[in-house]
Amino acid sequence: DVKVTQSSRYLVKRTGEKVFLECVQDMDHENMFWYRQDPGLGLRLIYFSYDVKMKEKGDIPEGYSVSREKKERFSLILESASTNQTSMYLCATRRLAPNYGYTFGSGTRLTVV
Amino acid sequence: SQELEQSPQSLIVQEGKNLTINCTSSKTLYGLYWYKQKYGEGLIFLMMLQKGGEEKSHEKITAKLDEKKQQSSLHITASQPSHAGIYLCGADSGYSTLTFGKGTMLLVSP
Repeated sequence: DVKVTQSSRYLVKRTGEKVFLECVQDMDHENMFWYRQDPGLGLRLIYFSYDVKMKEKGDIPEGYSVSREKKERFSLILESASTNQTSMYLCATRRLAPNYGYTFGSGTRLTVV
Repeated sequence: SQELEQSPQSLIVQEGKNLTINCTSSKTLYGLYWYKQKYGEGLIFLMMLQKGGEEKSHEKITAKLDEKKQQSSLHITASQPSHAGIYLCGADSGYSTLTFGKGTMLLVSP
């Protein structure tokens, strides 16, 4: 059974802290994605990566950075957490082939206080 | 950029009733994906549609893509409490990314 694992289900951090959200997959998928999900706004793409050490900005990259040093791991970094980054963060992977959708992790609910 | 509009935003149905959720795209759909999300959890893949007129079913859930490939519908027959959750449609939007609708929240009352 394929898996996308996000390191934490719930996280509470203080304003100004550096926050790391980790995502690990065991499917050997090339593409990995970070979304945030907010009520009324839906899922918004933050960053994605199509290969090791490669990254592309999504629709809302401001305040975030990413790292992909190994194929199976994609990290989202909040350089200095702010309260408006309180959200549900979802990691997804996708195989580089037609007609394949995303496989999602279980999500990390981050609260910044 | 492509936009997906889902309707209704939320829905309460009595157990055993049928329901339909719609997803309308601002552009032609080349791949349309339906997902379900339990509150506070990740998204679970339901079905993928690609061809105009295509229809797929899984258990009591049927999804269709219209001939013009700009609208999809998700139909649930004889709803059960296990069908409750948020249903999202997603579409291919370039660079292997998906754009999603804002979701439809379904509640099933006993």
